[in-house]
Amino acid sequence: AQSVAQPEDQVNVAEGNPLTVKCTYSVSGNPYLFWYVQYPNRGLQFLLKYITGDNLVKGSYGFEAEFNKSQTSFHLKKPSALVSDSALYFCAVRDRGDYKLSFGAGTTVTVRA
Amino acid sequence: GAVVSQHPSRVICKSGTSVKIECRSLDFQATTMFWYRQFPKQSLMLMATSNEGSKATYEQGVEKDKFLINHASLTLSTLTVTSAHPEDSSFYICSARGGTNRYEQYFGPGTRLTVT
Repeated sequence: AQSVAQPEDQVNVAEGNPLTVKCTYSVSGNPYLFWYVQYPNRGLQFLLKYITGDNLVKGSYGFEAEFNKSQTSFHLKKPSALVSDSALYFCAVRDRGDYKLSFGAGTTVTVRA
Repeated sequence: GAVVSQHPSRVICKSGTSVKIECRSLDFQATTMFWYRQFPKQSLMLMATSNEGSKATYEQGVEKDKFLINHASLTLSTLTVTSAHPEDSSFYICSARGGTNRYEQYFGPGTRLTVT
């Protein structure tokens, strides 16, 4: 079984400040980890993924995430948030032996000007 | 590349009627397509997985006779909500796996279904 936890329903930051969205996961084997962003009434847009290799993954729009195996975490970060980053963010995981993705509950990010 | 489209983007139907939602992979062949349902400000719930030319695999609790899924070609999957009820109103999102990148699912823009 696989699962994802996003412990924060909402994250509020001021524009220009660092942004962190937390994610922890549980899988039976080695994980593939993903971050997606969703704007209102839109589908999911891919931000970044961890498959293997370097634990620090860089993705779209200045986002990055760090895979931490010992803490089973994959937190999303952006050094300087923009108002346009305000959206709903989903962390997802799948076991390498399965194609099904399990999604976290989502975190709503609000960046105030 | 790896674009997935959905049609329609919004649909309103009357209770008791059926509605079909199409999911197309525009520039790659989708060996597997997934259908999700999303309630407002909630996560995506996987409804079913379909492979081209075979019957869909439904997740536990999803009525296969109500949500008919057809994956007739490598670029098209359809979800038909039969005898729709107001509680079926939701945002339906499809995704597709295939092409050169075997790790990712590519998501469609979603379809907002409202049953009156």
